Amino acid sequence: NAGVTQTPKFQVLKTGQSMTLQCAQDMNHNSMYWYRQDPGMGLRLIYYSASEGTTDKGEVPNGYNVSRLNKREFSLRLESAAPSQTSVYFCASSEALGYNSPLHFGNGTRLTVT
Amino acid sequence: AQSVSQHNHHVILSEAASLELGCNYSYGGTVNLFWYVQYPGQHLQLLLKYFSGDPLVKGIKGFEAEFIKSKFSFNLRKPSVQWSDTAEYFCAVNAYSGAGSYQLTFGKGTKLSVIP
Repeated sequence: NAGVTQTPKFQVLKTGQSMTLQCAQDMNHNSMYWYRQDPGMGLRLIYYSASEGTTDKGEVPNGYNVSRLNKREFSLRLESAAPSQTSVYFCASSEALGYNSPLHFGNGTRLTVT
Repeated sequence: AQSVSQHNHHVILSEAASLELGCNYSYGGTVNLFWYVQYPGQHLQLLLKYFSGDPLVKGIKGFEAEFIKSKFSFNLRKPSVQWSDTAEYFCAVNAYSGAGSYQLTFGKGTKLSVIP
């Protein structure tokens, strides 16, 4: 059982380039999330999708867009990468957007923007 | 706005020492509480969770946490740490924020280094 799969694992971009981070889960979860992790900042929510067909902004959405392609897949797009977007990105999923739904995380994508 | 505070940024312990990591949150309503662990180079994994009932929650690998509602705290404990417990630990609080919405907030994390 793969759980949450993210691709790529590593990526280096130049300022202004675009890219899409892919995420897929095989647990039939309704809700999916994108976080970024920076040293000393913990995890900050970028966007989330409570269920297929819906997406909402999180704490730090500027410079990002998302697509909930279907129930399994939730992608994150950087249209014009900036050095401030250098970070480790984690996709996560949960049964539902509710109280008692722990998150299941992917292995992360380490992105460097030069 | 809801916030989660983890008191220690970095804790260094010798093997067999006891561990307590602090977590306080600022929200007056009903919450669900989580501790996640991130081993070096890996993703976050659920360590334990509190939803209701007994405020002393036991998780994997000998960890436990106690929910003290009056103190808005959910501290993580382990009686005797091992080198393999070296990791970063994140406290998270999930609270109902109205109109069917829930807000999950993570603390900034505490790095634990265990010296053999």
